[in-house]
Amino acid sequence: QIVLTQSPAIMSASPGEKVTITCSASSSVSYMHWFQQKPGTSPKLWIYSTSNLASGVPARFSGSGSGTSYSLTISRMEAEDAATYYCQQRSSYPRTFGGGTKLEIK
Amino acid sequence: DVQLQESGPGLVKPSQSLSLTCSVTGYSITSGYYWNWIRQFPGNKLEWMGYISYDGSNNYNPSLKNRISITRDTSKNQFFLKLNSVTTEDTATYYCARGENYWGQGTLVTVSA
Repeated sequence: QIVLTQSPAIMSASPGEKVTITCSASSSVSYMHWFQQKPGTSPKLWIYSTSNLASGVPARFSGSGSGTSYSLTISRMEAEDAATYYCQQRSSYPRTFGGGTKLEIK
Repeated sequence: DVQLQESGPGLVKPSQSLSLTCSVTGYSITSGYYWNWIRQFPGNKLEWMGYISYDGSNNYNPSLKNRISITRDTSKNQFFLKLNSVTTEDTATYYCARGENYWGQGTLVTVSA
């Protein structure tokens, strides 16, 4: 199965700061999803097929990547962006998730 | 709007079977999509367990070997998870989901004597 490694595991950012979360795959994948999860709620699809924002996701979010390296970027951090973000590969089964990046607001 | 709701026992004894139901409203499970079970362990690791397709076919995570079964009742628009021979390692929050973009709220299942 494809192993996804996210970095960093935990980070904090100040309002207005640029944030980048990376996801490295053990084998090449065609597309990557990103999920946002806040405490006590289920994960929400946030970015699909590498770079497409899900409905309602602010335009300050973006996704990019190819092959074994993918990233989620927030152009300017806002308080509401504090959450845990997970990448998920959809190239092969079993579907696998990264270990998550907990993003906190400073 | 599509809604999914998990239900089932919150406590299961080791070696017994875990059985959960996902009730779906707003969309027929025979109309399309893969209907998934995903779990999240304490510590927040996510694991895809398997799916039942709109056409009734299955795909399971090999890590669950022969312990898992996902079935459905199309008349009730529900699908089910059964996980046999559970251990404390199966303690997790269990989610059902349509594809990747509609998830239930999750149900915590604790495996303990």
